[in-house]
Amino acid sequence: DTGVSQDPRHKITKRGQNVTFRCDPISEHNRLYWYRQTLGQGPEFLTYFQNEAQLEKSRLLSDRFSAERPKGSFSTLEIQRTEQGDSAMYLCASSLGGRAGPSTDTQYFGPGTRLTVL
Amino acid sequence: AQTVTQSQPEMSVQEAETVTLSCTYDTSENNYYLFWYKQPPSRQMILVIRQEAYKQQNATENRFSVNFQKAAKSFSLKISDSQLGDTAMYFCAFMKGSGGSNYKLTFGKGTLLTVNP
Repeated sequence: DTGVSQDPRHKITKRGQNVTFRCDPISEHNRLYWYRQTLGQGPEFLTYFQNEAQLEKSRLLSDRFSAERPKGSFSTLEIQRTEQGDSAMYLCASSLGGRAGPSTDTQYFGPGTRLTVL
Repeated sequence: AQTVTQSQPEMSVQEAETVTLSCTYDTSENNYYLFWYKQPPSRQMILVIRQEAYKQQNATENRFSVNFQKAAKSFSLKISDSQLGDTAMYFCAFMKGSGGSNYKLTFGKGTLLTVNP
């Protein structure tokens, strides 16, 4: 079990550019989540996948944001036409749902991708 | 909508002493989970402890224990024998229980804990 991984760890971009982040969940985890964390705040939910289906999107996720999870494995989060307000840490988490046990539905986080928009 | 409140933005404790971090939440749900996560400086979020709302017994994990008061909607974290490595931001989080609901976490704003030598 290698844990949740995210790539890249840091991204600096100019306003108006598009960026894409990748998340690889813990193997066999069927649920995957994206959160955004700004400085000094707790993470805020962005979107959630169960297998390949995107089941919920937060109102924080504007039309410039899109997320995919093809084949129910890794996920990508794309931000188009980045704005300075998009600067934040983007966290990915995964969990195993639908089975009994103490770890069911517990979310395990990756190291995050820190985005800076200049 | 659920809300999570951590009223202590910062706390400090001496090494080897005990400290308690506070968390209150607001929900109309009866089935839910509560979590404490730890985020060390520039490092990733780590699960500290988890509590199921239907369980009356307070969860414990080594030096970490919780005081879960369901009626008062309170979920405090006690760290015993504090160690320098416990220095981190601690987040309290809420998740609705299963049953077709979204499994998103709602976080508080965090408490920055500093353990002093």
